[in-house]
Amino acid sequence: NAGVTQTPKFQVLKTGQSMTLQCAQDMNHEYMSWYRQDPGMGLRLIHYSVGAGITDQGEVPNGYNVSRSTTEDFPLRLLSAAPSQTSVYFCASRRDRQDYGYTFGSGTRLTVV
Amino acid sequence: GQSLEQPSEVTAVEGAIVQINCTYQTSGFYGLSWYQQHDGGAPTFLSYNGLDGLEETGRFSSFLSRSDSYGYLLLQELQMKDSASYFCAAQGGKLIFGQGTELSVKP
Repeated sequence: NAGVTQTPKFQVLKTGQSMTLQCAQDMNHEYMSWYRQDPGMGLRLIHYSVGAGITDQGEVPNGYNVSRSTTEDFPLRLLSAAPSQTSVYFCASRRDRQDYGYTFGSGTRLTVV
Repeated sequence: GQSLEQPSEVTAVEGAIVQINCTYQTSGFYGLSWYQQHDGGAPTFLSYNGLDGLEETGRFSSFLSRSDSYGYLLLQELQMKDSASYFCAAQGGKLIFGQGTELSVKP
């Protein structure tokens, strides 16, 4: 049982490049979310999903796309990277609506130059 | 919109008791959660209050008052390892975080 696995752990991108941050969980959790964390800003919700095939926007969705084709995977796509997207990205999951605690991955540290 | 307010920093000494307050303004509110984060690592879930009142888990307790849109996390018998960032989060259809409180425990 690996929990929530995020890859890569570190990434440097050039402005304008695109990439996908991977998130996978092996706990059969229905709910999955993506957050970004900037210094002094706490965790801000980018996109979330309440089940396979269902996604919705969070607080800061612009510049990011998600899809949820399987229960296990919830990739986050950066369409055209900008320096403002330099951040630490966390993926999180929870079993269902009655399970209140999210399990977080260890994060992806992204730098856009 | 949704917003949660908590102090940015709190300092306390080992063995003491500290309370971290959180006020919230949010729609579709189910309850208030608390998370701990050490040195930018993965946040870990501490507690959840879906009903008014106090929930106790070992040295940590959490309180919620829906009528006051207010909650707090109480840490007792502070240890050096409790030095971390603590986040309150509003649980609705999605989980929205406050900006976090950095707790420093001094010897």
